[in-house]
Parts: sequence; structure tokens; C-alpha cells
Amino acid sequence: EIVLTQSPTTMAASPGEKVTLTCRASSSVSYMHWYQQRSGTSPKLWIYETSKLASGVPNRFSGSGSGTSYSLTINSMETEDAATYYCQQGSSYPHTFGAGTKLELK
Amino acid sequence: EVQLVESGGGLVQPGRSLKLSCAASGFTFSNYYMAWVRQAPKKGLEWVATISTSGSRTYYPDSVKGRFTISRDNAKSSLYLQMNSLKSEDTATYYCARHRVGAGYFDYWGQGVMVTVSS
Repeated sequence: EIVLTQSPTTMAASPGEKVTLTCRASSSVSYMHWYQQRSGTSPKLWIYETSKLASGVPNRFSGSGSGTSYSLTINSMETEDAATYYCQQGSSYPHTFGAGTKLELK
Repeated sequence: EVQLVESGGGLVQPGRSLKLSCAASGFTFSNYYMAWVRQAPKKGLEWVATISTSGSRTYYPDSVKGRFTISRDNAKSSLYLQMNSLKSEDTATYYCARHRVGAGYFDYWGQGVMVTVSS
């Protein structure tokens, strides 16, 4: 099983601040996918295949990485970006998720 | 518009069974793999099961293998999850999701249904 480790667990950012969330895999994966989950709602696909933005995702978001190291970056933090972000690998079964990074507004 | 609507959740005693359903609309259901993903209260996401387009192939993590069965009815655009021998650790919100096999991501999710396993 591929274990995904996200860091940090929790962070706070001010409006306009650049934010980088990381996800490390215990073995190499072909792609990393990211989901946003706001409190009390279902997860939403946010970034897929490492760097492709899902429909409706603002272009201040970007994704990058390869092998075992991946990241999600917010170019300029906005209020609506406060949420929990999960990374996920679908390269092998069982598909696994990271534990999530809770991003709060400072 | 893609819609996934789960139903069938509730309170069930340990060791008993429960069957979840998911009604899909807004896309050609028979063309897509489908999956169930769960989230225990205040916890992260856990993939639970995936089924191929025809239903001939199914995939499970060890945590539910042998207890849970995923199935589908393409004529009804419906997905199911039969859960047997339920344990307290199965308590979670269960989401139906469309599974983009290949890259392996879940591009649409339902609103979720709560399952509570408790005596």
C-alpha cells in the first residue's frame, strides 16, 4: 500500500499570501490528485493528474511534482480557499488518500 | 449536470447488514467505473470499493474485503454497496463517486450518506 504523507497538518495564511501544501508518497506514483473539502460538504476534485485544474477551479491554484513528491500551490490566498485539502494516488490499488491539510484564514 | 444521490444509511447494530444505493444522472452511467469512498467522523477519506463498467471487476481494500460487495445496475443507472458483518469502525459518511480509471481519480461525488454502527 502506498502511504501519502501531507504537510503541514494545519496552517493559517493571510489574504494575498502564497501557500504551498506538500504530499509525499511512500513509493513512486504516476500522478497525484487533490481534493478540496469545505466544512460540512462533500469533497470536490480540485487538481487531477498532478497539474490539471478541475472545472471551475481558479487559476491561482497550481499543482506540480513527480515520483514521490508533489505540491499544491495557491498563488494568492483568498477567503474562499479556507478548507481541507487531500492528496490521493490512483496509480495502484488500494487507492489511498493523505490525511489532509487544514488551511485556515489568518 | 452530473448528479449522484446516495440513500440507505442509518443506525445499525454491530454484526448486522446494510445496503447503500446511489442514483446517478447527467451522464452515461454504463460508460464509467464507479466507487464508494468513506469518511469517519472528523477523519480523512478512505477508498472503499470500485466496480468496472460492466460490473465484472471489483476492487476493495483489505479493511472491507470479504464483508462489502459493490454492484451496479446499468439499466437503472444505480450503484450499490452491500455491507455485511458491520463493525463500529465502519461508522462513516459514505460517498458515491465517479471513478476515472487510468489516472485513478474521483471526479464527481455525491452528498454522502451516514452509516452509524452501534449497539
